[in-house]
Amino acid sequence: GEDVEQSLFLSVREGDSSVINCTYTDSSSTYLYWYKQEPGAGLQLLTYIFSNMDMKQDQRLTVLLNKKDKHLSLRIADTQTGDSAIYFCAEKRPGSARQLTFGSGTQLTVLP
Amino acid sequence: ETGVTQTPRHLVMGMTNKKSLKCEQHLGHNAMYWYKQSAKKPLELMFVYSLEERVENNSVPSRFSPECPNSSHLFLHLHTLQPEDSALYLCASSQQERANEQFFGPGTRLTVL
Repeated sequence: GEDVEQSLFLSVREGDSSVINCTYTDSSSTYLYWYKQEPGAGLQLLTYIFSNMDMKQDQRLTVLLNKKDKHLSLRIADTQTGDSAIYFCAEKRPGSARQLTFGSGTQLTVLP
Repeated sequence: ETGVTQTPRHLVMGMTNKKSLKCEQHLGHNAMYWYKQSAKKPLELMFVYSLEERVENNSVPSRFSPECPNSSHLFLHLHTLQPEDSALYLCASSQQERANEQFFGPGTRLTVL
């Protein structure tokens, strides 16, 4: 399909790991991104991965990329209440020098 | 001020009003973007300015009119909007050659009555 797809909601307990999944559309996309949006705020770039990588780790965040299945995931270790936000997956398709294609976002709720 | 700022943060307007949204970036970037964010929908890219020239216009109705007087400022002029235009309008900026790293402002929550 044409859309970047994400589940709308995810709830986890504080201290557990969260895994947010995304299916993107173009196997030749060059970069894939995770953005975080806290209530009342704009989008904040969390991390991105280049398409020739399988995994990228940055402190509590781990990004996994499966190019064959066009699947991207974001794992947050030891999830905290401050991680509650909407997480957007985005892809940069070849030929679109400036345009990112976003998913609808996953609302992560961290329960105490 | 640092980063990307937007004013106003909230705006309520009637369908016959004319208003403007303002965005300012303090990052030394030379590309700026307007996005529309509606609930449970992907972000929609509306306009892109690079070096103060409009380089993308994604089939946005003419009741939305962008203006980029310099590389630090971006406006979105609104005229005779419809209720379905109610959304969060996000501004972003980037270095032209690193367009993949876009920095977003907090958005303007627009309600059209």
